[in-house]
Amino acid sequence: AQSVTQPDIHITVSEGASLELRCNYSYGATPYLFWYVQSPGQGLQLLLKYFSGDTLVQGIKGFEAEFKRSQSSFNLRKPSVHWSDAAEYFCAVGASTDKLIFGTGTRLQVFP
Amino acid sequence: GAVVSQHPSWVICKSGTSVKIECRSLDFQATTMFWYRQFPKQSLMLMATSNEGSKATYEQGVEKDKFLINHASLTLSTLTVTSAHPEDSSFYICSASPQSYEQYFGPGTRLTVT
Repeated sequence: AQSVTQPDIHITVSEGASLELRCNYSYGATPYLFWYVQSPGQGLQLLLKYFSGDTLVQGIKGFEAEFKRSQSSFNLRKPSVHWSDAAEYFCAVGASTDKLIFGTGTRLQVFP
Repeated sequence: GAVVSQHPSWVICKSGTSVKIECRSLDFQATTMFWYRQFPKQSLMLMATSNEGSKATYEQGVEKDKFLINHASLTLSTLTVTSAHPEDSSFYICSASPQSYEQYFGPGTRLTVT
């Protein structure tokens, strides 16, 4: 069965520091992978997605993610975090029948 | 582009009453819409998948008679929580999908049942 694991429940970084949020997936075939961001009391906004091709994917707001099949990972990165990046981040894998399977999320806190 | 709206954004109702939540894709047509439930500080739990003009497909454990879903057009789906009880209080989020694996999310509806 498809599943997504986000090992880090909560991450705190200083503004301007680099960021990496971890995501591991379990899926038999080539996965469709997504990163979403959710601000408090809001819906989800798509940051980036991977379907095929170049394993380094660029997204909005300066985020990027790298698909590593050998490690079953799709980690999200940003070279320099801004205070406005504080939010909840969800990794998701596209399952059969067009469903998305979400990880449990990582809460990012940014200190000035 | 790809804007999804939900109405209302928050609602308080008394136990035993029914509440309808609307989900609209404003600038695209969505053949499929999804309804999720999210508890505080938790991930999204898929409740059901609805396709325009056909019955919704509910996830295991979701009561179809309690959570009525209607997908009347390519831009509108509704979720009705019937005979709501305090345990139904939650954050409900819809998403609209114009094509496979492309989901655009609404801002969510906070339901509080007193």
